[in-house]
Amino acid sequence: GAVVSQHPSWVICKRGTSVKIECRSLDFQATTMFWYRQFPKQSLMLMATSNEGSKATYEQGVEKDKFLINHASLTLSTLTVTSAHPEDSSFYICSARGSGQGANTEAFFGQGTRLTVV
Amino acid sequence: QKEVEQNSGPLSVPEGAIASLNCTYSDRGSQSFFWYRQYSGKSPELIMFIYSNGDKEDGRFTAQLNKASQYVSLLIRDSQPSDSATYLCAVVNAGKSTFGDGTTLTVKP
Repeated sequence: GAVVSQHPSWVICKRGTSVKIECRSLDFQATTMFWYRQFPKQSLMLMATSNEGSKATYEQGVEKDKFLINHASLTLSTLTVTSAHPEDSSFYICSARGSGQGANTEAFFGQGTRLTVV
Repeated sequence: QKEVEQNSGPLSVPEGAIASLNCTYSDRGSQSFFWYRQYSGKSPELIMFIYSNGDKEDGRFTAQLNKASQYVSLLIRDSQPSDSATYLCAVVNAGKSTFGDGTTLTVKP
């Protein structure tokens, strides 16, 4: 299957700082990338969908000025958590779908990033 | 009502038994259906996908889809302790995936 690499796998940051998480498709061109957040013992909640070269579409209740998403190339999307608060501590996961795939086919997941804000 | 519902479990089965995981969904326009396995602290990994009504088998796994009943299930035959994980059901419509809360499966040796 296609490989999606997410970095870092874990990060600890201080309250008020910003953290950037990268999601790279290593062997395919990812026209669409998805960012999820998962709290302990809960399911994946979609935060936003990004298409290469255009602005991300955020889900209801997700602050676009706090969670900055950039999808500047077909192989890289970044999520920046700005002015981090302890309640932003969570598991952040990206997934990507390639240009040759149908809209309802599998999206490939990155390894996830465990963010802890202290 | 949640868009995708799963029994949270935990579901416990003895090694070698069949584990049955169920999922119902509310969006009749849903096009494709996925089962993922997620180990604690890890990202989900795809187990099966199914698009059409009926059964789809892959090794020890069988996915069953009934669009009329808005129901999809996953059967795991000859369950192994390594199958112990949380199983997520995902339903896709217009490119957007909606996940259930997952069912925790424990396979006891």
